[in-house]
Amino acid sequence: DQQVKQNSPSLSVQEGRISILNCDYTNSMFDYFLWYKKYPAEGPTFLISISSIKDKNEDGRFTVFLNKSAKHLSLHIVPSQPGDSAVYFCAASARAGGTSYGKLTFGQGTILTVHP
Amino acid sequence: EAGVVQSPRYKIIEKKQPVAFWCNPISGHNTLYWYLQNLGQGPELLIRYENEEAVDDSQLPKDRFSAERLKGVDSTLKIQPAELGDSAVYLCASSEGLAGAQETQYFGPGTRLLVL
Repeated sequence: DQQVKQNSPSLSVQEGRISILNCDYTNSMFDYFLWYKKYPAEGPTFLISISSIKDKNEDGRFTVFLNKSAKHLSLHIVPSQPGDSAVYFCAASARAGGTSYGKLTFGQGTILTVHP
Repeated sequence: EAGVVQSPRYKIIEKKQPVAFWCNPISGHNTLYWYLQNLGQGPELLIRYENEEAVDDSQLPKDRFSAERLKGVDSTLKIQPAELGDSAVYLCASSEGLAGAQETQYFGPGTRLLVL
């Protein structure tokens, strides 16, 4: 079962506009959520995270929103830059017991392309 | 500060041959993870170490895969014998504390394995 889903395989935006990447999860035990960016032939690079006690976290151009009732999170990038073009993964972890404890469960990734 | 180091970056072998991957985590990080990433998918956990103890190896195919972290620092993941389906990227990650906290995991560049 896919506990973390990114339903959009790709997203294309114009430079300077907003990029919105979405992620849905099913496991109510998840309490920590992260976004990673991945360039070709490199490992995932940590971008931003959010704890389940918050609904928003900002870091410069990046903002993550968490809607616990909908089991949905999103990453907003404003303004988008060509260097943001990469694969973006959302991931989740659970502190409590169960099969999701102590590991990250990843979505399938969304390919973001920012056009100059 | 140096990130997670992995070697080799690329490996091509024939099926039924053995192969080994090495990982050196970020200095001071107690928890080390090995993930497997297939094409078009997010990483999936193979094994997690807290110091030198393997605390979650439930997803490791133990008939052909083995791992060790003898002194609680660097780690080796081995496949013997390799099969065609093992072609993937093998990622190592580390985090500072133990898995009970909301820890950010930092990834290495990965080893891309091709089994012919």
